[in-house]
Amino acid sequence: DTEVTQTPKHLVMGMTNKKSLKCEQHMGHRAMYWYKQKAKKPPELMFVYSYEKLSINESVPSRFSPECPNSSLLNLHLHALQPEDSALYLCASSQDAGANTGELFFGEGSRLTVL
Amino acid sequence: AQSVTQLDSHVSVSEGTPVLLRCNYSSSYSPSLFWYVQHPNKGLQLLLKYTSAATLVKGINGFEAEFKKSETSFHLTKPSAHMSDAAEYFCVVSDQGNTDKLIFGTGTRLQVFP
Repeated sequence: DTEVTQTPKHLVMGMTNKKSLKCEQHMGHRAMYWYKQKAKKPPELMFVYSYEKLSINESVPSRFSPECPNSSLLNLHLHALQPEDSALYLCASSQDAGANTGELFFGEGSRLTVL
Repeated sequence: AQSVTQLDSHVSVSEGTPVLLRCNYSSSYSPSLFWYVQHPNKGLQLLLKYTSAATLVKGINGFEAEFKKSETSFHLTKPSAHMSDAAEYFCVVSDQGNTDKLIFGTGTRLQVFP
């Protein structure tokens, strides 16, 4: 199994809603990532979890709250988002932390629209 | 600081003709370099990676890239384009200062015409 599975594929929410994005991998990878991708732009790193601990937070606003319940799961909790937060949110995993391995496995993303 | 520059935002080729996607990097040490592909409405997939072994790197789907230190380049090539190659391609360098980070280029959209 070489898949990273993200749910939901599409999400529409209002600015006062609370929702969550979910990501799951069963490759035994110990590093998991959240990226944000706006249209026609490269992905931007948001968070990195290494061995279930948050190792990088790229100064992301607190309305985005990551959670890593175990080594296979990664969540992104969303609250009080703004329309400019509308984007494709990509989850990725890698065998270990350390970008020199470089081989990230990406999910297909959750496309978020904030009204 | 490390960076990559993708020299073309769009490249158009005919099916069966060669593909060249250009990437230059900036780094004060020997970098780790990657090419990722993103098909429409999909996640990214690693095509190939260079990590200071052989300078000519072969990847999936017939793609290859050559690391040229003298030219600070890591161009992606394929001898014969296929319609299924139409996608966005990202040249990526690892951040040696923070090895959990990848630094993405701005992307090159490859169009393949029949």
